[in-house]
Amino acid sequence: QKEVEQNSGPLSVPEGAIASLNCTYSDRGSQSFFWYRQYSGKSPELIMFIYSNGDKEDGRFTAQLNKASQYVSLLIRDSQPSDSATYLCAVNEDGTASKLTFGTGTRLQVTL
Amino acid sequence: GAVVSQHPSRVICKSGTSVKIECRSLDFQATTMFWYRQFPKQSLMLMATSNEGSKATYEQGVEKDKFLINHASLTLSTLTVTSAHPEDSSFYICSAMAGGRIDNEQFFGPGTRLTVL
Repeated sequence: QKEVEQNSGPLSVPEGAIASLNCTYSDRGSQSFFWYRQYSGKSPELIMFIYSNGDKEDGRFTAQLNKASQYVSLLIRDSQPSDSATYLCAVNEDGTASKLTFGTGTRLQVTL
Repeated sequence: GAVVSQHPSRVICKSGTSVKIECRSLDFQATTMFWYRQFPKQSLMLMATSNEGSKATYEQGVEKDKFLINHASLTLSTLTVTSAHPEDSSFYICSAMAGGRIDNEQFFGPGTRLTVL
């Protein structure tokens, strides 16, 4: 059974700070990793994906992947109240975006 | 990005009735569509994968006779919850994908909240 683990939170950070969200996965053969943001009552929206070890930056977001440790993280710089949402980590065993296994998500609260 | 719509957005029905949910890709052809279910404070659970013109592939534990999926065209997939019961109350979300490459993301619909009384 493939598992994707996330701390449910809430993770509370002040406005302007860096939020660090973590995710571990059980299937060592996983090849593609995705971060989604989900506002309450809404469907997920893709923030970014990563499939190579190291860092990938996109604006205020940086995804970090360490396949040896089976660990992927998302850093949000200059956190804004509008970033308050649940962040879902998703993993796939092949090199596509199909058949994703989602974590339960981490709820982020950015306080004023 | 690509747009995926779902209809209805919210439905309340009596126990024992059937409910059909439509998922449409509005500006692209979706070779593959996915149906997820999300219970409160839980993650998205993949129910089934459907490819246009072929039978859906259901995940373990999902009853194919209860959750009927039809992917009749490259822009439309439907999920019918047959003989719905209160335990089927959930947030149902579809997603669509145009291809199998890693940079072809799943585009999610807005979801359908089903409440079975």
